[in-house]
Amino acid sequence: KQEVTQIPAALSVPEGENLVLNCSFTDSAIYNLQWFRQDPGKGLTSLLLIQSSQREQTSGRLNASLDKSSGRSTLYIAASQPGDSATYLCAVEAGARGFQKLVFGTGTRLLVSP
Amino acid sequence: DAGITQSPRHKVTETGTPVTLRCHQTENHRYMYWYRQDPGHGLRLIHYSYGVKDTDKGEVSDGYSVSRSKTEDFLLTLESATSSQTSVYFCAISEVYNQPQHFGDGTRLSIL
Repeated sequence: KQEVTQIPAALSVPEGENLVLNCSFTDSAIYNLQWFRQDPGKGLTSLLLIQSSQREQTSGRLNASLDKSSGRSTLYIAASQPGDSATYLCAVEAGARGFQKLVFGTGTRLLVSP
Repeated sequence: DAGITQSPRHKVTETGTPVTLRCHQTENHRYMYWYRQDPGHGLRLIHYSYGVKDTDKGEVSDGYSVSRSKTEDFLLTLESATSSQTSVYFCAISEVYNQPQHFGDGTRLSIL
């Protein structure tokens, strides 16, 4: 059974710092890995999707990498801002191909202080 | 933002009563999903749909049923609600399997 772990569970940093969030998964047979952001009381917002054949994806100040063989992904946030404060979740697509059944980690709660 | 509306947004009900949650999309996406989010468990897939009248079970489907009679609507029913089903329920949609899922704002359900 696929399991996804995110470390740390919570992170507090001062504004301007570069930071890395970690995601690990137990079964390397994934089709893609997705990073989401969740603000309090809201749904999830997709940040990046990395196909299994890719090593990384970039969007603005965000860069996500994927190492399938070791079962790891990292989300790098450059020059963090208070508006980046949220919970970040990673999810892997597992199971039968074509239905995008996602398995989620429990998230990292990020607080960026001014 | 993707056009996804969940209703109701909040509901309090009693054990043993039936409850139906609705997810409505305006994007004409093929795939729709129901998740529940609980502290310490993250999001877990309840049921999903890959077309009108085409549905299947997810990881935590016991006690839940779904229906999709139109592309735009995906209903989640708790046939006899239990306190363990107190949770926040999210609907998500996806156009094709290798594109990101888009989420609604959730329904907070409390069963007393």
